[in-house]
Amino acid sequence: DAKTTQPPSMDCAEGRAANLPCNHSTISGNEYVYWYRQIHSQGPQYIIHGLKNNETNEMASLIITEDRKSSTLILPHATLRDTAVYYCIVRVKSGGSNYKLTFGKGTLLTVNP
Amino acid sequence: DAGVIQSPRHEVTEMGQEVTLRCKPISGHNSLFWYRQTMMRGLELLIYFNNNVPIDDSGMPEDRFSAKMPNASFSTLKIQPSEPRDSAVYFCASSPAAGSGNSPLHFGNGTRLTVT
Repeated sequence: DAKTTQPPSMDCAEGRAANLPCNHSTISGNEYVYWYRQIHSQGPQYIIHGLKNNETNEMASLIITEDRKSSTLILPHATLRDTAVYYCIVRVKSGGSNYKLTFGKGTLLTVNP
Repeated sequence: DAGVIQSPRHEVTEMGQEVTLRCKPISGHNSLFWYRQTMMRGLELLIYFNNNVPIDDSGMPEDRFSAKMPNASFSTLKIQPSEPRDSAVYFCASSPAAGSGNSPLHFGNGTRLTVT
């Protein structure tokens, strides 16, 4: 059970912002939201994660709603190389104090020239 | 930082043969994860280790699959005997600490297994 819901696909024009939504209505108070992406034939690549506050790094921004039931990953200026499957994941506890990531189907983002 | 290193990159074998996939995690990372990816089922967590100890193996498909982590810098995933339905890309990932919900996973580039 991935605990997240994402649209299967999205398109974005090169140079424009890509906004990828994710619903995680059953998230618990101490569970982080992670975003990864997977470019064809490569391993998943970590992008960003957050708990309550909005986060920004060199790759993207993460906006988490106040009730934490949804979030949006923003790629401010999408390039063709950003075409990939983007996974939104809630990291859940797996026995004791350990955590694990369960991947869903993700969103295929296609950046068009 | 060399990242997570997996070998081989590609493996083609015949049904019934033993297959061993190898993984070297990032130095200093305490947790190691094995995932399998297929078109039908997506990315599935098979097993993960914390400080070389298996923590959760609920994703291992059946007794034909086994994983070991003899030390902090090496892990193997073995399939014996292999079957065509085991064909998939197998990813290894490591993390600084599975005991924290705040540690990203770093993935290798995977081993593409084809069982004929």
